[in-house]
Amino acid sequence: SQKIEQNSEALNIQEGKTATLTCNYTNYSPAYLQWYRQDPGRGPVFLLLIRENEKEKRKERLKVTFDTTLKQSLFHITASQPADSATYLCALDNPNTGGFKTIFGAGTRLFVKA
Amino acid sequence: GAVVSQHPSWVICKSGTSVKIECRSLDFQATTMFWYRQFPKQSLMLMATSNEGSKATYEQGVEKDKFLINHASLTLSTLTVTSAHPEDSSFYICSARLQARNYPYEQYFGPGTRLTVT
Repeated sequence: SQKIEQNSEALNIQEGKTATLTCNYTNYSPAYLQWYRQDPGRGPVFLLLIRENEKEKRKERLKVTFDTTLKQSLFHITASQPADSATYLCALDNPNTGGFKTIFGAGTRLFVKA
Repeated sequence: GAVVSQHPSWVICKSGTSVKIECRSLDFQATTMFWYRQFPKQSLMLMATSNEGSKATYEQGVEKDKFLINHASLTLSTLTVTSAHPEDSSFYICSARLQARNYPYEQYFGPGTRLTVT
């Protein structure tokens, strides 16, 4: 069956360092992959989308890579700040599923210490 | 732009009663909205796809008679939890797709509704 795996353990890093989160998927060939941020008790907020033919995408301090051979995406936050503390969700979308359904990983909790 | 609102943000109801949750796209039209539920420390689980002017499409295992969805306009979808039970307590989140000029479509989420059934 199709699976999305994100590190369930929280990631603790020091302010100013680069945070790297991993998303692995199996039995899936997504046309594109998305990353969302979710704060406690709130809905997810869209951050970045990367297509299967793109290796890397950047937006301000965020960088996403997409390796369709490894079936993996890495999400980087450079110069991290305490305000970056949140849960980050990886999501895959396949237009061939009819209805453009999105499947979410369980997310990785990031804590940035001042 | 692309703001989605939900109402109420939280609700407590007694077992056996029904609860309606509204999802609105404030600054765009959404022909398709999605309803998810999320348990603590778990991923969002898609419950159903709400299509304006037609019946909703439910995911396997989701009771359509228990979770009634109505997408009456291009900016409003409602989810009614009928005869709620404590096991229905969860965080319910809606989303709407923004059809950008170029495929693929971005998805914008509401702030969620915390339902507690006592």
